[in-house]
Amino acid sequence: EAQVTQNPRYLITVTGKKLTVTCSQNMNHEYMSWYRQDPGLGLRQIYYSMNVEVTDKGDVPEGYKVSRKEKRNFPLILESPSPNQTSLYFCATRGIPDIISPLHFGNGTRLTVT
Amino acid sequence: DAKTTQPTSMDCAEGRAANLPCNHSTISGNEYVYWYRQIHSQGPQYIIHGLKNNETNEMASLIITEDRKSSTLILPHATLRDTAVYYCIVSNSNDYKLSFGAGTTVTVRA
Repeated sequence: EAQVTQNPRYLITVTGKKLTVTCSQNMNHEYMSWYRQDPGLGLRQIYYSMNVEVTDKGDVPEGYKVSRKEKRNFPLILESPSPNQTSLYFCATRGIPDIISPLHFGNGTRLTVT
Repeated sequence: DAKTTQPTSMDCAEGRAANLPCNHSTISGNEYVYWYRQIHSQGPQYIIHGLKNNETNEMASLIITEDRKSSTLILPHATLRDTAVYYCIVSNSNDYKLSFGAGTTVTVRA
């Protein structure tokens, strides 16, 4: 079954304590992306990756890091979380094809930074 | 800059067709129209996409105007489980910076 798996689903942490949210996919997709969702603002893209070792900034990259050492994994790293990073986070993937393919989303990670 | 505009919310009666409009007046020739929906706080789910012809699948139909400046997603027989936020986006195969607007909150009422 095609899956995008995020962990953890829920995370409560304190300001400044480094954390990593993991994302893994089993569809051999080249493209992976992180989004954050806040009330009234829709889904905003944080970072994306077009393939292994290729990453680029989305619309709201400040305060986040990513890495893409393997095709299947795309972790989101918050080196020093702050309360304004409290949000619902989604990982998404798609193939980069000659044909247009849709995004596949994970089930989300709800992060609270106190 | 928003590429699409959608109504903020709409209600629909259970069992009736729900017609969700989307304006994309600046769409370019190689951009597809995609629809996704998000139930509660789950990950968005792909519904359908099209370029210029009308499309239908098991979930919905997509009607794109001839000038491609707007489209309508049709849920033919809305159920309570179709209550969700529906997002319309335009994209081509070279769009890697993809963000979603606020979408349309659809409430299906019994």
